[in-house]
Amino acid sequence: DAGVIQSPRHEVTEMGQEVTLRCKPISGHNSLFWYRQTMMRGLELLIYFNNNVPIDDSGMPEDRFSAKMPNASFSTLKIQPSEPRDSAVYFCASSPSSVNYEQYFGPGTRLTVT
Amino acid sequence: GQQVMQIPQYQHVQEGEDFTTYCNSSTTLSNIQWYKQRPGGHPVFLIQLVKSGEVKKQKRLTFQFGEAKKNSSLHITATQTTDVGTYFCAGEGGTSYGKLTFGQGTILTVHP
Repeated sequence: DAGVIQSPRHEVTEMGQEVTLRCKPISGHNSLFWYRQTMMRGLELLIYFNNNVPIDDSGMPEDRFSAKMPNASFSTLKIQPSEPRDSAVYFCASSPSSVNYEQYFGPGTRLTVT
Repeated sequence: GQQVMQIPQYQHVQEGEDFTTYCNSSTTLSNIQWYKQRPGGHPVFLIQLVKSGEVKKQKRLTFQFGEAKKNSSLHITATQTTDVGTYFCAGEGGTSYGKLTFGQGTILTVHP
């Protein structure tokens, strides 16, 4: 069975450019989570969706970040404009439910903003 | 908001030695999960604890959930080089219902 799929795996962009990260959750999973991981701040939850509806976006750093989930099999995280401090590994994870279930992480997208 | 603290931040052991990492939450948890992340990889689910005082074992790994459901520990007996990685605890409950709050992780290195 395919796990969580993320693309691209690596992204290098210049400051000010728009960046779009993509995620395909495991089929049948109802919850989707976007995380950011850095050495300084660890693993931070940015936003999570339940049944395609954003439930909690309190972790989204600022208005430059936006996330969508137009259907059960696809989600995007967009950064516009990007800044060097956005450099991190971004993980998408999915779960059968948001409550009391383990999360399955994708391989991550390593973003470098120069 | 809910905070999950994890210690130690780093642990270096000789192969064959035991290893323990501890996790403490600022609030009572409904459950706690443990994940392992290999260098360059992504977090992988290990186990979930739900009941007060619960103890679960996976081969050389022993997981405990405190009586007050605010702390947890992971103990590895006789470490092997394959145990290398970062171990995260993640708690759900209180104000973070429906989402996990991850600890900072403990980075384990094992010297052969």
